[in-house]
This record gives sequence, C-alpha cells and structure tokens, in this order.
Amino acid sequence: GAGVSQSPSNKVTEKGKDVELRCDPISGHTALYWYRQRLGQGLEFLIYFQGNSAPDKSGLPSDRFSAERTGESVSTLTIQRTQQEDSAVYLCASSLGLGDRVYGYTFGSGTRLTVV
Amino acid sequence: GDSVTQMEGPVTLSEEAFLTINCTYTATGYPSLFWYVQYPGEGLQLLLKATKADDKGSNKGFEATYRKETTSFHLEKGSVQVSDSAVYFCALNSGNTPLVFGKGTRLSVIA
Repeated sequence: GAGVSQSPSNKVTEKGKDVELRCDPISGHTALYWYRQRLGQGLEFLIYFQGNSAPDKSGLPSDRFSAERTGESVSTLTIQRTQQEDSAVYLCASSLGLGDRVYGYTFGSGTRLTVV
Repeated sequence: GDSVTQMEGPVTLSEEAFLTINCTYTATGYPSLFWYVQYPGEGLQLLLKATKADDKGSNKGFEATYRKETTSFHLEKGSVQVSDSAVYFCALNSGNTPLVFGKGTRLSVIA
C-alpha cells in the first residue's frame, strides 16, 4: 500500500480482556517495528521483525505481550489480560531494510488503546 | 548502548521567533541521525536526516547539522509558524538496529 496502515485506530477494552492490533506495512518493506507511546511520553521500542523473524523480544513489557508477522506482510500485536497501564498509542513502522539509514521509517497513525 | 537526549519541553514561542531544539547522542560507530515530527492526532513523519558528519538535513525551513565533534544534531528554524506546533523527536540509527528515539519536545507556537 501507499502507507503503513494500522487498525483499529481506536480501541476501548475492559481490563482483563485480550486485544489484537494490526499493522499493514508498505509493500516491499522487509522490516517492521512496534513502538508504544504513553500519554506525554516518548517512544518505547517493543519489537521488530526482519521478514517474519523477530530476533529480539526483550523490549516486550511482559509475557502478556506477543507479536507475529506473516512473511513480509501483516503483523499483529496481541496483548492478553489487558491492564490499565497498557493504555497507550501503539505505533507501527516499516522500512526497506533493517536499520534503513537512507530513508528512515514510515510510521502508521497508530492505535489508541484505552483499558477501562 | 545507543541513546538520544533532547531538551525538555514544552517550548512555547511566538510566531516568527527563532527555534532551536537541542539533541545530543551517544552511539558506537557512525550513526545516521533523524528528526521526526508528530502533529496532533497523527503518526510520526520523517522531517529531515543526515547520514554522515557535517551533513546538513533540511526540510520545510527546518535544518539540522550532524556535528560529530559535539555529538549533536540540533534542530533549527529561523521563523516558526503556528502550523509548526507539534512534538519533535530526535533519533539515531547505527548499524542494523531499530531507531533509538529521544523523549520528544513539544513545541507550541502562538500567534
């Protein structure tokens, strides 16, 4: 597609429920990244994919968080048993290659998750 | 590990004022440096970049020069507009690793 698409744009869920966030990267971008942005805070790196491989999962906040990617396409970030501290904007980005130093990343508009 | 430090915000300026947002970094090797901008309610957009020492990135009247000797990449604009109100993030990338972002600086420009 022309840009990085994320869905849903807004999600309100009850504490304890599971949620699934989706990211469609730019076609041809092999690298995909997930970041979290809490209100008034900077960007917290969660996980990245090179193809469908995630070499480093240490950025995921807890074992309630998981992510997967199908080939070099869609990625889903799943949060199980949501807690109020999970409330944030979840941003997805993609790039031509890992650590693209020429073109940088293209970000989606994010999913605003509110846990009530 | 790699890190980016930005000046704390918020920064409030009058229209047509001069803007500087400081950014310094710590990195191994020779990183590429970026400024991203996040307008209200939107995702991050790449504003400008520099890939080697002494390079100057520029876009939309904003400029930043890659200073290896001071490990800095300060963002400047000569005359800000209300439409420049946003959050600005400095970031670096060294090698095949994800971008490392600063905490962001909120800029408010008042007419």
